[in-house]
Amino acid sequence: KAGVTQTPRYLIKTRGQQVTLSCSPISGHRSVSWYQQTPGQGLQFLFEYFSETQRNKGNFPGRFSGRQFSNSRSEMNVSTLELGDSALYLCASSLNTGISYNEQFFGPGTRLTVL
Amino acid sequence: AQTVTQSQPEMSVQEAETVTLSCTYDTSENNYYLFWYKQPPSRQMILVIRQEAYKQQNATENRFSVNFQKAAKSFSLKISDSQLGDTAMYFCACYNQGGKLIFGQGTELSVKP
Repeated sequence: KAGVTQTPRYLIKTRGQQVTLSCSPISGHRSVSWYQQTPGQGLQFLFEYFSETQRNKGNFPGRFSGRQFSNSRSEMNVSTLELGDSALYLCASSLNTGISYNEQFFGPGTRLTVL
Repeated sequence: AQTVTQSQPEMSVQEAETVTLSCTYDTSENNYYLFWYKQPPSRQMILVIRQEAYKQQNATENRFSVNFQKAAKSFSLKISDSQLGDTAMYFCACYNQGGKLIFGQGTELSVKP
């Protein structure tokens, strides 16, 4: 099976712009979670989508949003970019039905740089 | 709130020796899972080992084993016969029914030849 893929791998934006990141889960996985990784804050949970619905949400401002499509692919959008949004954005997919835990498989990440 | 703490930002070990990475956590949940993830320079996050909180037996995966002390909320990772390929950032993480993985700050492990 193909692993989790994320596009693009690298992105450079300027303050005030918006950006959309994409994540394609492993075939058959219906849960997609997003994480932000920075040197200062470490790895922080953004949100999780399951069957096109946001099921869990972390403590990020409303500028961070996401969605999931019927094929389980997910997109994350950040509007009005700030310098502090520069980070590695990781997505992870799993079978996770919410009944019990299933392993999360991570993608290679998208490196976002905000200038 | 759930927290995970790794008190060792950096560690080093000689090839073929044993090293232990520390992790403590805090959760009010009764049912949760604990993990160690490895993130090499490629940044690909790889699951090393997992432990279900309701299981008393410590998990092992080849050269990797954990010491799970539930009452002390401690979850350390032991790497035996360290190899150069073990050089990476190691993250301890906790998952509960709230549906999110909470990560520690990470320990950067260097295996020296």
